[in-house]
Amino acid sequence: NAGVTQTPKFRVLKTGQSMTLLCAQDMNHEYMYWYRQDPGMGLRLIHYSVGEGTTAKGEVPDGYNVSRLKKQNFLLGLESAAPSQTSVYFCASRSGQADLYGYTFGSGTRLTVV
Amino acid sequence: GEDVEQSLFLSVREGDSSVINCTYTDSSSTYLYWYKQEPGAGLQLLTYIFSNMDMKQDQRLTVLLNKKDKHLSLRIADTQTGDSAIYFCAETQTGANNLFFGTGTRLTVIP
Repeated sequence: NAGVTQTPKFRVLKTGQSMTLLCAQDMNHEYMYWYRQDPGMGLRLIHYSVGEGTTAKGEVPDGYNVSRLKKQNFLLGLESAAPSQTSVYFCASRSGQADLYGYTFGSGTRLTVV
Repeated sequence: GEDVEQSLFLSVREGDSSVINCTYTDSSSTYLYWYKQEPGAGLQLLTYIFSNMDMKQDQRLTVLLNKKDKHLSLRIADTQTGDSAIYFCAETQTGANNLFFGTGTRLTVIP
């Protein structure tokens, strides 16, 4: 099925550990996004990419890094996990800036940092 | 930055109408969206409205936009238990690279 696939779906990390979340889309979309969702705070943009090889900071980028080496993949890295990074992470994509009909979202990754 | 506000919770009885409200601060918002998030799932686009429109109807869904008050609402007629979910409004402007989301409203439908 076409769409946005996130792996893993669940993960528990210890403080200080590192990990990478993978987002893959098969719709040939140019734009990709990483959001975090926290109770009562909605979705906040971490980083985004407007094309292969590009990345840009969003609203809450600190503690995260991203890479877009291939058009279909957008990786989110946590170098040294902190309890404040416990959240649900969503990846999204859209075809381009002219695409006015919203984003396609993945099903999320629930990350707990203990 | 943009500020998009929603009430956190709404409870309605099955068969009643639900009205979910959203206010935004950016007067240059040109595209506004409603997303639905079911438990354990990602967000799905429900409907959208452009700033040159006042109302949009799509089956049980009615979107109203008051540009003067920067107020957006989503009315769900004949609310069903399957409508229980979190509803997010989101907005963007022409030429912008991303959407700004509201805090989400958790709709609970009581049988």
